[in-house]
Amino acid sequence: RKEVEQDPGPFNVPEGATVAFNCTYSNSASQSFFWYRQDCRKEPKLLMSVYSSGNEDGRFTAQLNRASQYISLLIRDSKLSDSATYLCVVVNTGTASKLTFGTGTRLQVTL
Amino acid sequence: DAGVIQSPRHEVTEMGQEVTLRCKPISGHDYLFWYRQTMMRGLELLIYFNNNVPIDDSGMPEDRFSAKMPNASFSTLKIQPSEPRDSAVYFCASSPGVAGSPLHFGNGTRLTVT
Repeated sequence: RKEVEQDPGPFNVPEGATVAFNCTYSNSASQSFFWYRQDCRKEPKLLMSVYSSGNEDGRFTAQLNRASQYISLLIRDSKLSDSATYLCVVVNTGTASKLTFGTGTRLQVTL
Repeated sequence: DAGVIQSPRHEVTEMGQEVTLRCKPISGHDYLFWYRQTMMRGLELLIYFNNNVPIDDSGMPEDRFSAKMPNASFSTLKIQPSEPRDSAVYFCASSPGVAGSPLHFGNGTRLTVT
């Protein structure tokens, strides 16, 4: 089983829609979680951290479910500019600087 | 801040040739990472350094790959000899090193081995 798993998509949604992605992780000792965004042919960039209590940044909401070992990203009122690949990232206890990336979920927002 | 700088941006080489990828991390960042990205396998961590010392190289595919960090401002990833299956985008990233601090990626080197 992969350490971090994501549905590759693509998710095709109209502008203004709400879309959610999930990401599952296998190591119950994982301690930190992030969402990164990667545009086509560009480098990944941090979108947001994921906190235990859930957190929001504008139209983006991230949640963590430790019992079921998954994190989620919700995007409200999708914009064309949200089209990108969203990468789930996990950091495990004992390897505090080693970030493990999922393969990403591709989102395409259309008119 | 110039960000993480990688060179070259693109590299096309023939099988069997030596390839050297270069990276300059953000000044003051104690950690440097080399990742490889392919469509099939996504982003894979190859090796990372802390204060110029290799900490974990378990992701290095085989002996053909080697990485060095001779000082805080420079690192290289070398493939010798290169093979077509090494074709990928290679990213260098750096971070301040506090647990969970974000990675800052360079633009990547797109390697094609024919």
